[in-house]
Amino acid sequence: QVQLVQSGAEVKKPGASVKVSCKASGYTFTSYYMHWVRQAPGQGLEWMGIINPSGGSTSYAQKFQGRVTMTRDTSTSTVYMELSSLRSEDTAVYYCARGGLYCTNGVCYDVGLFYFYYNGMDVWGQGTTVTVSS
Amino acid sequence: DIQMTQSPSSLSASVGDRVTITCRASQGISNYLAWFQQKPGKLPKLLIYAASTLQSGVPSRFSGSGSGTDFTLTISSLQPEDVATYYCQKYNSAPITFGGGTKVEIK
Repeated sequence: QVQLVQSGAEVKKPGASVKVSCKASGYTFTSYYMHWVRQAPGQGLEWMGIINPSGGSTSYAQKFQGRVTMTRDTSTSTVYMELSSLRSEDTAVYYCARGGLYCTNGVCYDVGLFYFYYNGMDVWGQGTTVTVSS
Repeated sequence: DIQMTQSPSSLSASVGDRVTITCRASQGISNYLAWFQQKPGKLPKLLIYAASTLQSGVPSRFSGSGSGTDFTLTISSLQPEDVATYYCQKYNSAPITFGGGTKVEIK
């Protein structure tokens, strides 16, 4: 079955970095975009960015520009999200979520046009709790 | 960035009631809108995309409508298992943005 399995909870000190992994299975890894979404305690959902697992291209929310890096390893069907210069406000649950085909019938749209084949974030990882505390 | 405003922020209704949640975009987004349900302590679940297309497996009491800037999610007959927070999401371009959420409770 299609699933996304994330790495375990992390506790970090302010100023440190955290790298969360998301391993995909049950589908062709390079066929679908992957998003990262976070949720602070008691708060709503916040989109962080998107990666194309096929070519590795990315697009980040401006709020996280310069602090976030999304990468992928096609040999293990895993995407990674690294967030640096952590502060207490980064305490949240971080989710990876599959969303949108890269190509259909041989026509492909890269991250800037991800919405062409986007039909919602249909599969979510279980979430990784990141706690930032001194 | 386009802002998504949901209303109400919370509501309480009786089992069997018709429930409507509104989402308004600060600019037109055509039909590039999705709805998600998040039950307490659980993952978000996709309900609707393209404003009105029901995701496979989602009960037919859920429906979505709208285009441009104004959208609605309707639960035709509220069930106890529908207690959750509902989020709209716009995706016509990056950044994807979510509405602030509507918490639905049973009266």
